[in-house]
Amino acid sequence: RKEVEQDPGPFNVPEGATVAFNCTYSNSASQSFFWYRQDCRKEPKLLMSVYSSGNEDGRFTAQLNRASQYISLLIRDSKLSDSATYLCVVNPRMDSSYKLIFGSGTRLLVRP
Amino acid sequence: DAGITQSPRHKVTETGTPVTLRCHQTENHRYMYWYRQDPGHGLRLIHYSYGVKDTDKGEVSDGYSVSRSKTEDFLLTLESATSSQTSVYFCAIGDRGQEGAEAFFGQGTRLTVV
Repeated sequence: RKEVEQDPGPFNVPEGATVAFNCTYSNSASQSFFWYRQDCRKEPKLLMSVYSSGNEDGRFTAQLNRASQYISLLIRDSKLSDSATYLCVVNPRMDSSYKLIFGSGTRLLVRP
Repeated sequence: DAGITQSPRHKVTETGTPVTLRCHQTENHRYMYWYRQDPGHGLRLIHYSYGVKDTDKGEVSDGYSVSRSKTEDFLLTLESATSSQTSVYFCAIGDRGQEGAEAFFGQGTRLTVV
């Protein structure tokens, strides 16, 4: 089983739609969680960290469910510019080494 | 943008030759990572470092070695390049905050092994 798993998609939604992605992780000791965005042929960039209490940044909401070992990303009022691949990232260890494991990404296509 | 540069940005090499990719940072971040990205596999961790001379293996470390002799440089070496190592290689740097550390990525190195 992969340490971090995501539905590859693509999710094809109209502008203005709300879309949600989930990501599951296998190690219950995982400590830190993030969502990254990657545009085609570009480097990944941090979208948001996922805090234990959940957090919101404009149209984006991230949540953590430790009991079920998944994190989610909700995008409201989708824009064409939201089209990208969204990567879930987990630090699966409690020591100081700070290993970061990426999921394989979920592709989002927002159509006019 | 974070001060992180990868070199070279593009390289074509022959099977069996050694290849070294360089990642250089000016942010004094503790953590550095090498990933490869291939279609259908996403980003896979090759090796990472949590301090000078402190490195550990990732998911796909076979055929790769790393070196970190100073904070700012993290070298990835393909000891004897194979066609299966044709990929885009990303370096990332990070440092811990209260909720964890975000990673900043370099622009990637496109390596082709022929």
